[in-house]
Amino acid sequence: AQSVTQLDSQVPVFEEAPVELRCNYSSSVSVYLFWYVQYPNQGLQLLLKYLSGSTLVESINGFEAEFNKSQTSFHLRKPSVHISDTAEYFCAVSRSGSARQLTFGSGTQLTVLP
Amino acid sequence: NAGVTQTPKFQVLKTGQSMTLQCAQDMNHNSMYWYRQDPGMGLRLIYYSASEGTTDKGEVPNGYNVSRLNKREFSLRLESAAPSQTSVYFCAIRPVGQETQYFGPGTRLLVL
Repeated sequence: AQSVTQLDSQVPVFEEAPVELRCNYSSSVSVYLFWYVQYPNQGLQLLLKYLSGSTLVESINGFEAEFNKSQTSFHLRKPSVHISDTAEYFCAVSRSGSARQLTFGSGTQLTVLP
Repeated sequence: NAGVTQTPKFQVLKTGQSMTLQCAQDMNHNSMYWYRQDPGMGLRLIYYSASEGTTDKGEVPNGYNVSRLNKREFSLRLESAAPSQTSVYFCAIRPVGQETQYFGPGTRLLVL
């Protein structure tokens, strides 16, 4: 079985400050890792993913995440946040197999303050 | 929303009523999924379908049934709704050869 822990349920931060949203996972096999973002009253949008290769992955809007196998972590970072980054962020894992079921963390609400 | 549509967008039911949530995709993907989202719990898998005519249980299947009669549509049925089924329901698809799932806009269900 696999599980995902998002250590912070709420993260308030001032505009232009850096932010880190933490995600740890547990799994006995290799996994694929994802960050999804959900804006108010909308569905989930893929932000970035790690499948293989370089452990540092980036999104088009300035977020990045680093896969750390030894620490079983996939923390999300942004060096300077904007008001428009206010949203809920979900870390998720899946593993190889026919179903590719996603296991989600409980989510982190990022609120960017002016 | 990656070509995934969900109907209805919002529904209010009384305890014991039944209803079907519809999910349709326009890209002929094999894999489709139903999740529910509850505050503080992230999303949890209810059922999934690897191909037309096949379905399997996920983490929280009790109280639900699904149907995948064709490749395009995957429906979720509540035979006798309970207040514990108040949630936001998301359908997702996974293109062949990809690991990523793409989500529809969701259905908000309130059971009184």
